[in-house]
Amino acid sequence: EADIYQTPRYLVIGTGKKITLECSQTMGHDKMYWYQQDPGMELHLIHYSYGVNSTEKGDLSSESTVSRIRTEHFPLTLESARPSHTSQYLCASSGTDYSNQPQHFGDGTRLSIL
Amino acid sequence: KNQVEQSPQSLIILEGKNCTLQCNYTVSPFSNLRWYKQDTGRGPVSLTIMTFSENTKSNGRYTATLDADTKQSSLHITASQLSDSASYICVVTDRGSTLGRLYFGRGTQLTVWP
Repeated sequence: EADIYQTPRYLVIGTGKKITLECSQTMGHDKMYWYQQDPGMELHLIHYSYGVNSTEKGDLSSESTVSRIRTEHFPLTLESARPSHTSQYLCASSGTDYSNQPQHFGDGTRLSIL
Repeated sequence: KNQVEQSPQSLIILEGKNCTLQCNYTVSPFSNLRWYKQDTGRGPVSLTIMTFSENTKSNGRYTATLDADTKQSSLHITASQLSDSASYICVVTDRGSTLGRLYFGRGTQLTVWP
C-alpha cells in the first residue's frame, strides 16, 4: 500500500466557506500532484509541485491554491467554495522514476458544496 | 489533438471469465503508457507501465500489450474475480515536456458478477 494520505475523505459544506484539503506522503517524494475527477470523466491536473517552495498550475483552470512548505505536505485551499467546486480531488506523488508520472495516489476527498 | 480513447465504456462479465479492455491513443511523441485500476471510492493504483520498446507486460492475472505503431494498447484480465470490479484507466505520457504531460482516458468500468 502506498503511504499517501488525504483528509477529509468526505466533506459537505456551504457556499462561501474556506476549505483546505490535506495531503501527506511519507515516501520522501519530491513531486506531488492534485487532480480533479468527476464521475465517468478523466482526471484533470490542477496543481503540481517539484519540491519545497515549487508549485505550478496544471491543465485545468482552478480557483484553488496550493502550498509546499514541507516535502511531505501538499495542501489545497479553496478560499470561497462554490457549488461548481463539487468534485473528487485526488492527490498523488512520484519519486525519481523516468516518467514523471504520479506513482501513488491517495484515496481522494469527495467534496460537495451546497 | 492528443487523446486517449478507451473501450468499452462499461463491461459486465461472469466470475472466472477472461476479458480485454482497449486503449487507443493519438499522443505524440510517445513516452510510456500505464494502466491503473481504480476501485470505487479509492485512488488509482498502477498495474503496469510500458515504454516504446515493450510490447507485453504482465502483473499477475493482468497482461498489458502495446503496439506503438498502431497506437493501441490492451489490458487482458484472466480468470476474473469479484475483486476485479473497478474502473480501469489508461494513461499516456508524451515525451519532451518536463512534467511528462499525462493524457488520461475516461476508463472502462468493469463489473464481475458471481
